[in-house]
Amino acid sequence: GEDVEQSLFLSVREGDSSVINCTYTDSSSTYLYWYKQEPGAGLQLLTYIFSNMDMKQDQRLTVLLNKKDKHLSLRIADTQTGDSAIYFCAERRDGTGRRALTFGSGTRLQVQP
Amino acid sequence: DTAVSQTPKYLVTQMGNDKSIKCEQNLGHDTMYWYKQDSKKFLKIMFSYNNKELIINETVPNRFSPKSPDKAHLNLHINSLELGDSAVYFCASSPVLAGEYEQYFGPGTRLTVT
Repeated sequence: GEDVEQSLFLSVREGDSSVINCTYTDSSSTYLYWYKQEPGAGLQLLTYIFSNMDMKQDQRLTVLLNKKDKHLSLRIADTQTGDSAIYFCAERRDGTGRRALTFGSGTRLQVQP
Repeated sequence: DTAVSQTPKYLVTQMGNDKSIKCEQNLGHDTMYWYKQDSKKFLKIMFSYNNKELIINETVPNRFSPKSPDKAHLNLHINSLELGDSAVYFCASSPVLAGEYEQYFGPGTRLTVT
């Protein structure tokens, strides 16, 4: 996705925190999402944040949104080997009425035991 | 209990053939989508239908033709398959109501063109 950028790879040790970053370009985006894709599987919605929020916490997941810098991050606390997957951030631009998502390129998270 | 289902899961075919991928959702959603994920994992929207009406058609070759017989189904027909069509195709659905945020994805169809 040329409008949503992510680093391609992140490696952490089990038990550490992981932080996956994303930058987007469209300030009219209303919802921003984090999806998880395990090998050979479809996309699973992990969490989302509405554009008027700065932070959202859901168990081990914390989403931070800096709307000024158009920066979104996903923090996974106490990362487990089962968290190894590709993580996609995505934005939804309601202004065009499209409702389709624009995805980043995905960050492959590798958790070392 | 499957929310969004796709068939087939795997599809291997030769160049020049015509093939279809089917998608069904039992969530009562009004909007359905097709996304393509290439070998580098880039995901891009191809089409979107709302209540059987096409609302998004990205720059996709006209060899690809979506068909929505009813709002629970969105099928993808591909004519004259090319090597570059090899990818994983994901179907998704979402409610159309304002404030509803989630898109539900199917498991994907891996298309390999030889």
